[in-house]
Parts: sequence; structure tokens; C-alpha cells
Amino acid sequence: QLVQSGAEVKKAGESLNISCKGSGYSFRSYWIAWVRQKPGKGPEWMGLIYPDDADTRYSPSFQGQVTISADKSINTAYLEWSSLKASDSATYYCARRSYGDRNWFDSWGQGTLVTVSS
Amino acid sequence: QSALTQPRSVSGSPGQSLTISCAGTSSDVSNYNFVSWYQHHPGKAPKVILYDVNKRPSGVPDRFSGSKSGNTASLTISGLQAEDEADYYCCSSAGSSTWVFGGGTKLTVL
Repeated sequence: QLVQSGAEVKKAGESLNISCKGSGYSFRSYWIAWVRQKPGKGPEWMGLIYPDDADTRYSPSFQGQVTISADKSINTAYLEWSSLKASDSATYYCARRSYGDRNWFDSWGQGTLVTVSS
Repeated sequence: QSALTQPRSVSGSPGQSLTISCAGTSSDVSNYNFVSWYQHHPGKAPKVILYDVNKRPSGVPDRFSGSKSGNTASLTISGLQAEDEADYYCCSSAGSSTWVFGGGTKLTVL
């Protein structure tokens, strides 16, 4: 199960860190991805992290825009912005990559709505 | 990486069958047999219903099936039920641990 932190309302230029806590499985052994979804649009894959060794991959569209991290000691992955923009307003999902590095996501968080005002 | 192309909406009556297409490119759908489909009821967590083009996770009814031809993948739902009304997203591997999603299709059960 993946449980995400609650909705956030921020101003442009502020920093933000949202979280995704895994339970019921070996958190360190599965990749965790982050996915953005804007209203009325399809999901966009942002990047993913392997908690055990912090190996992280980013979509070119999000490289340098966000930071993905994880703390395997508390089974939690994070998505961080250092300076939010209004265009970052969206719902963000974390998702677990299926076992054996398969190419699908077998468990999803409930989503975190981020609203950024300009 | 451009989003995969899906119809914005489809509709059908209970008991009918319908198909949702997902068009990609040679960089994703046609190059990899790693297309997955997700069902998303608003306000809930998305749920995988197909992976590797046509495999169903445990617990997903066999009313859901998938196929692929060239750069287009398809999700077919047979025996449509009211509970199938949701948003559906396709997703394809694009290699090197990267993925691309479709724009989503809203399924309405009439």
C-alpha cells in the first residue's frame, strides 16, 4: 500500500516536499515512480527511484525541475520542489514498479493535490 | 517523449463490447511489448488492469483484454458493466526505464 501526504496550497516561489509511504512489502526493493496529472490531461511520468541505493532516473521533461529522494529507514519516498511555479499545480501520484523491474506499476498512491498560486 | 494518443471519450450500453485505442510511435508502443492499461475512478488510486500488452493481474475480470498491432495498442472491454465507467490510461515503456502515458479516455456506460 502507498499512502501519500495531504493536499498542499502554496505560493509561487515557495518550496515543497510531498511524500509517499509504503507499507506491507519490502519498500527498499521496489522502484517508486512519480507521476503528474493536470486537470483534464493524461498522466506524465516524472521519474523514479530505487530506495535501496537511491538510483534515480528522471524524465527529460522534469530533470532539474524536481528532486526525487527516498528514506528507506522509514519506507518513504519524496518529491521536492525548491521554487514552485503556478504551472506545477496538479495532482501527483506515486506508483510502485512491479517486481523484477517489470514495465508496469502495480500499486498507486491516492494522489496529492498541489495548488500553486501566482 | 510525446503522449500516446487515445480517444477522449467512448461510450457503450451495458452488455456491449467496446475498444479503446492507444497510438504511439516506433520509440515506444511498436518497439516494446510493455504496454499497460490503468483504470481510474476519480478520487481513487489508479488500478492496473492489463500489463505486457495482454496480461491481466490477479483479480481483474477476463472481460478486459488487450492487443497490439504496430504502433497501436488496444483495450477491449466486453460485457460492459456500470462499474466500468471510469477513465482509462495506456502506458508504454520507452526504453531505459522511461515511460509514456496516453492522454486518457473517459468511458461512459449509457
